[in-house]
Amino acid sequence: AQSVTQLGSHVSVSEGALVLLRCNYSSSVPPYLFWYVQYPNQGLQLLLKYTSAATLVKGINGFEAEFKKSETSFHLTKPSAHMSDAAEYFCAVSDRVGTGKLIFGQGTTLQVKP
Amino acid sequence: DVKVTQSSRYLVKRTGEKVFLECVQDMDHENMFWYRQDPGLGLRLIYFSYDVKMKEKGDIPEGYSVSREKKERFSLILESASTNQTSMYLCASSSRRWGQEGPDTQYFGPGTRLTVL
Repeated sequence: AQSVTQLGSHVSVSEGALVLLRCNYSSSVPPYLFWYVQYPNQGLQLLLKYTSAATLVKGINGFEAEFKKSETSFHLTKPSAHMSDAAEYFCAVSDRVGTGKLIFGQGTTLQVKP
Repeated sequence: DVKVTQSSRYLVKRTGEKVFLECVQDMDHENMFWYRQDPGLGLRLIYFSYDVKMKEKGDIPEGYSVSREKKERFSLILESASTNQTSMYLCASSSRRWGQEGPDTQYFGPGTRLTVL
């Protein structure tokens, strides 16, 4: 069965610092992987997705993620944090065929300090 | 832009009441999903539907039912609300057809925060 683990329920960085949010997955075959962001009192918005076309995926708002099969990881990074990046971030995995339903990690809340 | 709307942002109900949460999408998507979101648990799938009148149980279907009479509308029903169903409920839709390969992006509504007293 597929699963997703996000390391760290809360991450705090200073404005301008590197953002690193960790995600590890468990799957028998390379799955599709997603990062979603949830701003306060809003639904989830897609940041980026891995579809096997390229291991380094660029998303919106300057975020990117690298798929590492050997480490079963899909960590999210941004070189320089902005105050507006404060939100909750979810990593998710889906199968390649079938229902396409998503399995989510527990979420990581990003705090950005001035 | 895909738009997924949910009937209420906030809802307060009493234990034992029957509760309807409505979700509508405007992009002719095949699939619709209901999740609940709880702190520290992420999002958990309650039910999903890949076609009109079709439904599949997710990971936590107990205490819930769903209805999809029209393609654009997916309703979540709490037959007899209980306090442990106090949560944020999120609806989503996506376009990938059953059996197709390819990444299937889900588009989310704003959520309904339900409190059961």
